[in-house]
Amino acid sequence: EVQLLESGGGLVQPGGSLRLSCAASGFTFSNYAMSWVRQAPGKGLEWVSSINGAGGGTYYADSVKGRSTISRDNSQNTLFLQMNSLRAEDTAVYYCAKVISISNWSPFDYWGQGTLVTVSS
Amino acid sequence: EIVLTQSPATLSLSPGERVTLSCRASQSVSNYLAWYQQKPGQAPRLLIYDASNRATGIPARFSGSGSGTDFTLTISSLEPEDFAVYYCQQRSNWPLSFGGGTKVEIK
Repeated sequence: EVQLLESGGGLVQPGGSLRLSCAASGFTFSNYAMSWVRQAPGKGLEWVSSINGAGGGTYYADSVKGRSTISRDNSQNTLFLQMNSLRAEDTAVYYCAKVISISNWSPFDYWGQGTLVTVSS
Repeated sequence: EIVLTQSPATLSLSPGERVTLSCRASQSVSNYLAWYQQKPGQAPRLLIYDASNRATGIPARFSGSGSGTDFTLTISSLEPEDFAVYYCQQRSNWPLSFGGGTKVEIK
């Protein structure tokens, strides 16, 4: 059974940093691209970042480019999102998501339960 | 950047009714369009990918159609568990993008 378990969210002051983690199980993690998708309170879904299976290819939304770094540790089946210079508009539930097939970057057939990031003083 | 526009924003319907949701892309996405369902407090669930392919375990009452810029998600007969928000998402171009969602609520 595929499982994705995010952690690392919390309350952080504007300008601060957080590192989100997503522990994956139930599939061959290194074969699949992974992504982060966020959802601000009461709002829609926003794609944040994606990384390929080997970890050498990454993409970012303009809203986080230059402030965030996606990475993965295939030996530990874990996905990360390092977020710096956090702003109030980064407040959201952050989901990690698995791509449906090996050769694609999306869509996403499995999602974690999400971790809430709140940026506030 | 490809903008996906979903309409209507909200639909008020009764169980048993047929539902048609629209997603329009600002430029062609070929058939690289997916649909998700999200219920309150839950993660999204993939329903349809590549415009018309049902994801694993999705009931046959859900169907998708379209190509290019205009896409439709149809629910043939609404079940009580189908009241939720529905999002479309394109994978044709970076950045990946989602539509703003359509809420299907109980009338």
